[in-house]
Amino acid sequence: EVQLVESGGGLVKPGGSLRLSCAASGFTFSSYSMNWVRQAPGKGLEWVSSISTSSSYIYYADSVKGRFTISRDNAKNSLYLQMNSLRAEDTAVYYCARDRTGSSGYYPNWGQGTLVTVSS
Amino acid sequence: EIVLTQSPATLSLSPGERATLSCRASQSVSTYLAWYQQKPGQAPRLLIYDASNRATGIPARFSGSGSGTDFTLTISSLEPEDFAVYYCQQRSNWPPITFGQGTRLEIK
Repeated sequence: EVQLVESGGGLVKPGGSLRLSCAASGFTFSSYSMNWVRQAPGKGLEWVSSISTSSSYIYYADSVKGRFTISRDNAKNSLYLQMNSLRAEDTAVYYCARDRTGSSGYYPNWGQGTLVTVSS
Repeated sequence: EIVLTQSPATLSLSPGERATLSCRASQSVSTYLAWYQQKPGQAPRLLIYDASNRATGIPARFSGSGSGTDFTLTISSLEPEDFAVYYCQQRSNWPPITFGQGTRLEIK
């Protein structure tokens, strides 16, 4: 069974940093592109970032480009999101999500999410 | 960036009725469109990908259609567990991946 477990969320002041992790199990992690998607309280879904299997291709939403860094460690079956210069509008539940096949752009598997709150 | 517009914002129906949800893209996405269901406090669930293919384990009462800019998610006969928020998502021209703003399907 595919499992994705996020951690690292919490309360941080504006301008601060946070590192999210996503531990994957139940599938060959190195064979799938991985993604972060966020959802602000009471709002819709927003794609944040994607990383290919070998980290060769990395993409970001304009709203986080230059502030967030996605990475992965295939040996540890883990996905990361380093978030710097955080703003109030980054407050959201952050989900990690696996691609359906390789790098399909569709997400059949999601973690339970981790809440990031940016507030003074 | 491709903008996805979903309608209606809220749909009020009764169990057993047929639900029709729409998603319109600001430019053609071919058939590179998915539908997700999300219940309160839960992660989204992939229902349909490539406009009309049901994801693993999705009941046959869910079907998707459309191509280009106009897409439809149909639930043939609503079950109590189907009342949720539904999002469309495109992967035609990415980055960025984009989602619609959602349609809330509520019990009448």
